[in-house]
Amino acid sequence: DTGVSQNPRHKITKRGQNVTFRCDPISEHNRLYWYRQTLGQGPEFLTYFQNEAQLEKSRLLSDRFSAERPKGSFSTLEIQRTEQGDSAMYLCASTLWAEPANYGYTFGSGTRLTVV
Amino acid sequence: TQLLEQSPQFLSIQEGENLTVYCNSSSVFSSLQWYRQEPGEGPVLLVTVVTGGEVKKLKRLTFQFGDARKDSSLHITAAQPGDTGLYLCAGRTGAGGTSYGKLTFGQGTILTVHP
Repeated sequence: DTGVSQNPRHKITKRGQNVTFRCDPISEHNRLYWYRQTLGQGPEFLTYFQNEAQLEKSRLLSDRFSAERPKGSFSTLEIQRTEQGDSAMYLCASTLWAEPANYGYTFGSGTRLTVV
Repeated sequence: TQLLEQSPQFLSIQEGENLTVYCNSSSVFSSLQWYRQEPGEGPVLLVTVVTGGEVKKLKRLTFQFGDARKDSSLHITAAQPGDTGLYLCAGRTGAGGTSYGKLTFGQGTILTVHP
């Protein structure tokens, strides 16, 4: 297993277009998280899944954003009608959720979105 | 909403100097993690602290979790240019509700170590 994989690494799109990002987590990890990060800031939580169930969505995630994790494996994050304010790094992380253990989160390298 | 405040936001020092980064919150976290991030890459986990008062060492890095599990610090001894990066603290939400296990990040500390 080579870690968390995100595709594409970079995406440039025109305002108003739809974009979709993919995240392939570490295979045995049952939790998958999406974060958004702007330059020089900490990641902001967007949403997370336990297996295929989406357990929480941030208020940051407007109706234009949707995420799925069919079959509890890979996940996709779609942004419809992109706006310039959506320009950011979108990070995916996965972890093995097995209380009471405190496993760290493994992050992918992110997808950098630029909306022009 | 649980918030984590990191300070300082920027730190520019010479090789060989010591430094401390602070992470504070009014909320209690079940655990706290520190990450290091390089430009264009995702954060990489450095350490997880769980018990109030816990101290962990990783070579020249020393991490401490506050007694009340609301704050943490990262101390680097004899900083090297390779330590340059964005340092992030992240608190893990405790039990109760669907936010259990969610990581909330501080805004980060950008460290630059000059040769």
